[in-house]
Amino acid sequence: AQSVTQLDSQVPVFEEAPVELRCNYSSSVSVYLFWYVQYPNQGLQLLLKYLSGSTLVESINGFEAEFNKSQTSFHLRKPSVHISDTAEYFCAVSEKGGSEKLVFGKGTKLTVNP
Amino acid sequence: DVKVTQSSRYLVKRTGEKVFLECVQDMDHENMFWYRQDPGLGLRLIYFSYDVKMKEKGDIPEGYSVSREKKERFSLILESASTNQTSMYLCASRVRSGANVLTFGAGSRLTVL
Repeated sequence: AQSVTQLDSQVPVFEEAPVELRCNYSSSVSVYLFWYVQYPNQGLQLLLKYLSGSTLVESINGFEAEFNKSQTSFHLRKPSVHISDTAEYFCAVSEKGGSEKLVFGKGTKLTVNP
Repeated sequence: DVKVTQSSRYLVKRTGEKVFLECVQDMDHENMFWYRQDPGLGLRLIYFSYDVKMKEKGDIPEGYSVSREKKERFSLILESASTNQTSMYLCASRVRSGANVLTFGAGSRLTVL
């Protein structure tokens, strides 16, 4: 069965600084990978996903994530964060061809300070 | 836009009560999910359903059951609520296939006294 580890539970940064939120997964088969974001007092929404093809995927608001199969990682990065990026970020994995249930990590709370 | 509606945003129940959490989606999605969200534990899968009348246990099914009699509705049942089931419950749905994106409801915050 698949699992997801988000190595940092909280990440405080200053505005305009770069950030990396780390995600590692475990699976015996090929996977689909996702990052979801939850802004304060809101539901979860998709930030970006990796299904196949190019290992670098981007979101519309400047985040990107790179699938690294050898390191079983899918780290999320942004070169310059804004106050409005303050949220909780969840990495998730779904196994291809299996039950395809979606399993989430424990989340990383990103706090962007002025 | 797909809508996933959870009937109750806030519920307060007593220990031992039977609790029903209802979730309805309006876009003919095959797959539906129930998660619980707790601080520091992220989202943990309770049950999911591939399609009508089908269900699979997730990672923490103990103390819960589900019902999917119609495609659009997926109910989570707590047969005898306990205080450790106080949590935020999230329902989600998607078109069949693990490649597809989940659409989440707004959540139901359950407090068991």
